[in-house]
Amino acid sequence: AQSVSQHNHHVILSEAASLELGCNYSYGGTVNLFWYVQYPGQHLQLLLKYFSGDPLVKGIKGFEAEFIKSKFSFNLRKPSVQWSDTAEYFCAVNSGGGADGLTFGKGTHLIIQP
Amino acid sequence: DTGVSQDPRHKITKRGQNVTFRCDPISEHNRLYWYRQTLGQGPEFLTYFQNEAQLEKSRLLSDRFSAERPKGSFSTLEIQRTEQGDSAMYLCASSPGQGEGYTFGSGTRLTVV
Repeated sequence: AQSVSQHNHHVILSEAASLELGCNYSYGGTVNLFWYVQYPGQHLQLLLKYFSGDPLVKGIKGFEAEFIKSKFSFNLRKPSVQWSDTAEYFCAVNSGGGADGLTFGKGTHLIIQP
Repeated sequence: DTGVSQDPRHKITKRGQNVTFRCDPISEHNRLYWYRQTLGQGPEFLTYFQNEAQLEKSRLLSDRFSAERPKGSFSTLEIQRTEQGDSAMYLCASSPGQGEGYTFGSGTRLTVV
């Protein structure tokens, strides 16, 4: 069975600080990796996804993530955060061709202070 | 709005009652998923359809839960004899196929009193 671990449940940063949110997964086979964001009062939105190819993936709103297979990790990064990045961030994984249900981490609540 | 629609947005029910939720996916998406999310947790996968066929069910989906997608378009999730532990946000997502991401709806928040 797959599992996803997000190391930080709450992160507080000041505007313009750099961000890195950790995500590790456990699964022995080929995986597909996702980061979703949930802004206050809104539905889950896809930030970026990795299926194959370049392990450095660029997403929307200046976010990127790097898949490191040897570390079973898919950390999310942003060089300079904004107040509008305040949200809940979820890492997720599925296997196979990418059609299976997603296994999500518990989420990281990010608060950006102006 | 061409996104995933869920109805109702909120449902309050008494313990023991049956409830049914509806999800309308993006029209060209043939895959439809149901998830449950409780406070402080990430969404948990419940079940998934490809067209009208239910292809996968989580062990979380007890006998009181049933999902249908009769014509391969909208889907319903029914919970029979609701319990307080069923209180959660029920999320629907759809996808056009392999190699694509999932689009989530806004969810139905169920409160069992």
